[in-house]
Amino acid sequence: GAVVSQHPSWVICKSGTSVKIECRSLDFQATTMFWYRQFPKQSLMLMATSNEGSKATYEQGVEKDKFLINHASLTLSTLTVTSAHPEDSSFYICSARNTHRLAGSKETQYFGPGTRLLVL
Amino acid sequence: AQKVTQAQTEISVVEKEDVTLDCVYETRDTTYYLFWYKQPPSGELVFLIRRNSFDEQNEISGRYSWNFQKSTSSFNFTITASQVVDSAVYFCALSLTGNTGKLIFGQGTTLQVKP
Repeated sequence: GAVVSQHPSWVICKSGTSVKIECRSLDFQATTMFWYRQFPKQSLMLMATSNEGSKATYEQGVEKDKFLINHASLTLSTLTVTSAHPEDSSFYICSARNTHRLAGSKETQYFGPGTRLLVL
Repeated sequence: AQKVTQAQTEISVVEKEDVTLDCVYETRDTTYYLFWYKQPPSGELVFLIRRNSFDEQNEISGRYSWNFQKSTSSFNFTITASQVVDSAVYFCALSLTGNTGKLIFGQGTTLQVKP
């Protein structure tokens, strides 16, 4: 099946630093990738939609200058949390939409394993 | 507006019991997709099922079954003869066609299956 990786799987950083999270589709092309955030014991909330070769579309309430998204190729999207603060500590999950859905599969998008961010 | 509601926050059952997780959705669109995902303690989301709005047939996959009722905007998920390994958080989600495929998740239901 389709595989999406995220790197790093977890990161601890000091307040004020920037953190970059990578999302890669390993065996398929993804013109669209999604970034979700999940606080402890809460649901997944979509932060932004990342489109290859164009600007990301951010959900209401998400600061685009704080959460920089770059989708430079059909297999890679990056999320950079700039000037991270303790309230940014969360579980960040990406998903990639397969441009050509695998035959016989009902999945339309594939999730990465997530990145746990802890800002001290 | 689109919304997914999972009213059950936590459910605890004893192994081998059957358990049903409820999901109610709201949308004015006539074409949409509904999903169920499992999230074990590791955090990774596991795809369970996708159903489109034109297909109201119920589906069974092993111990899992899904009941889609458009009349009540519900898409309930039943686990038969539950096992300890079923313990996880389960999310119901909605996706609209023509909306890039982004998912709107319910609040999730934490299922604990005790031995």
